[in-house]
Amino acid sequence: NAGVTQTPKFRVLKTGQSMTLLCAQDMNHEYMYWYRQDPGMGLRLIHYSVGEGTTAKGEVPDGYNVSRLKKQNFLLGLESAAPSQTSVYFCASSYSGEGNSYEQYFGPGTRLTVT
Amino acid sequence: GEDVEQSLFLSVREGDSSVINCTYTDSSSTYLYWYKQEPGAGLQLLTYIFSNMDMKQDQRLTVLLNKKDKHLSLRIADTQTGDSAIYFCAESIGSNTGKLIFGQGTTLQVKP
Repeated sequence: NAGVTQTPKFRVLKTGQSMTLLCAQDMNHEYMYWYRQDPGMGLRLIHYSVGEGTTAKGEVPDGYNVSRLKKQNFLLGLESAAPSQTSVYFCASSYSGEGNSYEQYFGPGTRLTVT
Repeated sequence: GEDVEQSLFLSVREGDSSVINCTYTDSSSTYLYWYKQEPGAGLQLLTYIFSNMDMKQDQRLTVLLNKKDKHLSLRIADTQTGDSAIYFCAESIGSNTGKLIFGQGTTLQVKP
């Protein structure tokens, strides 16, 4: 099992460029999440999905779009990158475990710099 | 809205116990979690506790939950240099979504 994988690992964009971050999981998890991590701010939820074909907004969704066309993949898009989107992006997946405990499994992260 | 607060930094000597504290606001949280992040890596689940429990022990880790004060702590016994990392507290919010709210993270420095 590879667990949760993210591509790319690093990326530098110019302001206004677009890109897509790919998250893939091989654990057959229903739930997937995109977070951003900024210094001193912990992780903030951007968008999430509770199943194939569904997506919902998290805490900081502006400037991002997502799609979950296949259960194992969750894509995060930046249509017009801004310097404020410089961050480390983490994808996670989870399942509803015993007693509805949702244990989230994280990918290794994508470090994005927007100049 | 929901919020999770942690102190930002803790330094201990190797072999001592470490106690990392966390406060949260959502009294309806079903589960509370502790995650560990090593440099350059994603978060790894260490342990979690159900909200109707006061304590959970897992090898060197002890989680204490004071639901009245909305206070959660993680004690690491016999702290080793390999325990140096950032530790995140998280609370579950919303039903049937698995959404979590994370604290800012506590950087644990273990000195030899």
